[in-house]
Amino acid sequence: ETGVTQSPTHLIKTRGQQVTLRCSSQSGHNTVSWYQQALGQGPQFIFQYYREEENGRGNFPPRFSGLQFPNYSSELNVNALELDDSALYLCASKRDRGQETQYFGPGTRLLVL
Amino acid sequence: AQSVTQPDIHITVSEGASLELRCNYSYGATPYLFWYVQSPGQGLQLLLKYFSGDTLVQGIKGFEAEFKRSQSSFNLRKPSVHWSDAAEYFCAVVTGGSARQLTFGSGTQLTVLP
Repeated sequence: ETGVTQSPTHLIKTRGQQVTLRCSSQSGHNTVSWYQQALGQGPQFIFQYYREEENGRGNFPPRFSGLQFPNYSSELNVNALELDDSALYLCASKRDRGQETQYFGPGTRLLVL
Repeated sequence: AQSVTQPDIHITVSEGASLELRCNYSYGATPYLFWYVQSPGQGLQLLLKYFSGDTLVQGIKGFEAEFKRSQSSFNLRKPSVHWSDAAEYFCAVVTGGSARQLTFGSGTQLTVLP
């Protein structure tokens, strides 16, 4: 158990809809990252939040956005869903942005029809 | 660009046999390297990590990995595999500036035969 939780566990949406995924970081961790893992692939970095501000972004369009709250929770929002957004979304927290070790939650599996 | 390559998509071993999963990285500076394991439908569990020092690192569940700078490799090993080790294994390297994100390989699926 890493202490990182995510909700919901599974979600089905249709193309064009919007979705919000939630993550609760391990207590005391002020940095959270989100990753997208398509079927049969390794996770890919979406973005990172440090003290409620975006701290870095991977190769994902602006319709992927996020929020981080003072209570160690965070959200990943995806607008205008596309079929290719179907994936497992993982959040990972770490004690501070300069730390190297990240601890992952169980993920949210999103299916876009 | 920084990258991680796991050459073996799928490996099958018999229970009790030894295991080696290969990982090669491409990174200019001193790498920070990780191995994670993912069971079906689950998140990623950290097995071990290498930052510096002794190039042979021990992890959980009896796994170890050896960092070889000359070969740009960080291979994962286990002397005797158990049926419960069947899972997908990911090698990753820390990349990026202030974000310090992980760049993952595409994974190796391990099947364990009884």
